[in-house]
Amino acid sequence: KQEVTQIPAALSVPEGENLVLNCSFTDSAIYNLQWFRQDPGKGLTSLLLIQSSQREQTSGRLNASLDKSSGRSTLYIAASQPGDSATYLCAVKGGSEKLVFGKGTKLTVNP
Amino acid sequence: DTEVTQTPKHLVMGMTNKKSLKCEQHMGHRAMYWYKQKAKKPPELMFVYSYEKLSINESVPSRFSPECPNSSLLNLHLHALQPEDSALYLCASSPTGAVDSNQPQHFGDGTRLSIL
Repeated sequence: KQEVTQIPAALSVPEGENLVLNCSFTDSAIYNLQWFRQDPGKGLTSLLLIQSSQREQTSGRLNASLDKSSGRSTLYIAASQPGDSATYLCAVKGGSEKLVFGKGTKLTVNP
Repeated sequence: DTEVTQTPKHLVMGMTNKKSLKCEQHMGHRAMYWYKQKAKKPPELMFVYSYEKLSINESVPSRFSPECPNSSLLNLHLHALQPEDSALYLCASSPTGAVDSNQPQHFGDGTRLSIL
């Protein structure tokens, strides 16, 4: 059974800092890994999707990497801003239509 | 603004009521999903519809009844719910429901459900 772990559970940083969020998964047989952002009381916004054959994806200040063999992914956020404050979730897709989510990292960026 | 629209945004109901949650998307996606999310927890998959057919039911109690009338619309019918069913119910869609699809899922903002 696939299990997804995100560390840390919460992170507080000053504005402008670069930061890394971590995601690990137990079964390396995945099709893709997706990073989401969730604001309080809202749905999920897809940030980046990395296919199993890819090593990284970039969108603006966000860069996600994937090391499938070791079961790890990182989300790098450059020059963090208060508007980046949210919960960040990673989810993996294995041999079904189902996404398996981690519990998320709650990020607070202080002005 | 999300391209997956869920109504209502909030719903309060008693344990004997019958209500329905609605989800619409007009992106031409052929796979639609219902998730349940409790506070400070990740979303948990409930149902998947692929090409208007139910493809996954994650052992959800029968008091939750999904329906997919057409490719753009997904309903979740609720009856005799329990207080522990109070949660945020999220709908999502993706271009296809294929197992090897590498298309992202797009989520709505959810319906906040409270059972009295």
